[in-house]
Amino acid sequence: SSELTQDPAVSVALGQTVRITCQGDSLRTYYANWYQQKPGQAPVLVIYGKNTRPSGIPDRISGSSSGNTASLTITGAQAEDEADYYCNSRDSSNNHLVFGGGTKLTVL
Amino acid sequence: EVQLVESGGGLVQPGGSLRLSCEASGFTFRSYWMSWVRQAPGKGLEWVANINQDGSEKDYVDSVKGRFTVSRDNAKNSLYLQMNSLRAEDTAVYHCARFGWLALDYWGQGALVTVSS
Repeated sequence: SSELTQDPAVSVALGQTVRITCQGDSLRTYYANWYQQKPGQAPVLVIYGKNTRPSGIPDRISGSSSGNTASLTITGAQAEDEADYYCNSRDSSNNHLVFGGGTKLTVL
Repeated sequence: EVQLVESGGGLVQPGGSLRLSCEASGFTFRSYWMSWVRQAPGKGLEWVANINQDGSEKDYVDSVKGRFTVSRDNAKNSLYLQMNSLRAEDTAVYHCARFGWLALDYWGQGALVTVSS
């Protein structure tokens, strides 16, 4: 089965730009989706497909992909962006879904 | 407004059974694949199961195959997860989620399942 690898923790200064990455073989075939989860809350979809934001997601959040690596970029990070971020995709060998281990983003 | 509300969680002994329900509203339930995703305490997200629109296709993570069964009742706008032979490692918050175009676009708040003696 496929695996998606994320850095456990990343920090960014308020107002600066941060990139969170996700690596996995399935990303050569499928786009990554990205979810934001704050403590005690359900995950929220923030990026899906090539680089599409659902309604209500600020445009400072964007996605990109190259080879086996997908990236979530937050340009001008705000305090409210502090959260856990998970990537997800489909397993390239079956219909299963896979998640990365998550990245804890701290805004300093 | 899309809403997904889980129920049925609780404390169960190892080897026991539990059935989770997810009531959907605000969208045409019968038109969407649905998923269950769980999160163990302090851990990351883990996909558990998918079911297609009419219930004819189901997929499971290997660790629950043969023990968990996903089903749906489109007349009741409801999704279910029957969990048998529960183990301590199944302890988690279980979220139902709508499988929209390419991604899990709406999630419920989750139901806590604790497997302990």
